[in-house]
Amino acid sequence: DQQVKQNSPSLSVQEGRISILNCDYTNSMFDYFLWYKKYPAEGPTFLISISSIKDKNEDGRFTVFLNKSAKHLSLHIVPSQPGDSAVYFCAAKRLGSNYKLTFGKGTLLTVNP
Amino acid sequence: EAGVTQFPSHSVIEKGQTVTLRCDPISGHDNLYWYRRVMGKEIKFLLHFVKESKQDESGMPNNRFLAERTGGTYSTLKVQPAELEDSGVYFCASSTGIFDNEQFFGPGTRLTVL
Repeated sequence: DQQVKQNSPSLSVQEGRISILNCDYTNSMFDYFLWYKKYPAEGPTFLISISSIKDKNEDGRFTVFLNKSAKHLSLHIVPSQPGDSAVYFCAAKRLGSNYKLTFGKGTLLTVNP
Repeated sequence: EAGVTQFPSHSVIEKGQTVTLRCDPISGHDNLYWYRRVMGKEIKFLLHFVKESKQDESGMPNNRFLAERTGGTYSTLKVQPAELEDSGVYFCASSTGIFDNEQFFGPGTRLTVL
């Protein structure tokens, strides 16, 4: 039973355009959400996070939006660059703890020059 | 500062054999996690150490898997005997004792059981 779902296995965008990666969750106990980026043969690296008390968090070209009522979050990358090509994982946990992360299956983003 | 390191990077074994994976967390990180990704699927939690104690081992698939963290430093994950379905990439991650701090991941060990 997947508690974090990324329904798009892949996404292809042109350099300079916006990339939008989506994630849905089912567990109401989750109140902290993270995006990780993974290159081949490397481990996931933290990108950006958001807690449930916010609906938006921005860091440079990366913005994460959270819609709690819909149990949906999205990662926007603007403008997209070829170096952004990687697998992006959505993850969730309970805030205020060092609990485990629950991950989605990942979305492979390809940014074409 | 050195990141999380894992050894070996790849391991190919036959069904029924034993394999031991090692993880060296970032120095000073009390929390150490093991995760696994079977091809094409999500990264799944296996267990969580706080120093040398197992905080949560709810993700361990069965008793063929044994994790240790002697002295609260490096950790090992032993699979004995290995089965075909154990194939995947095993990731280790570590974090400080401060709540909600980032988990830093190692590069993973790719295990193939033939």
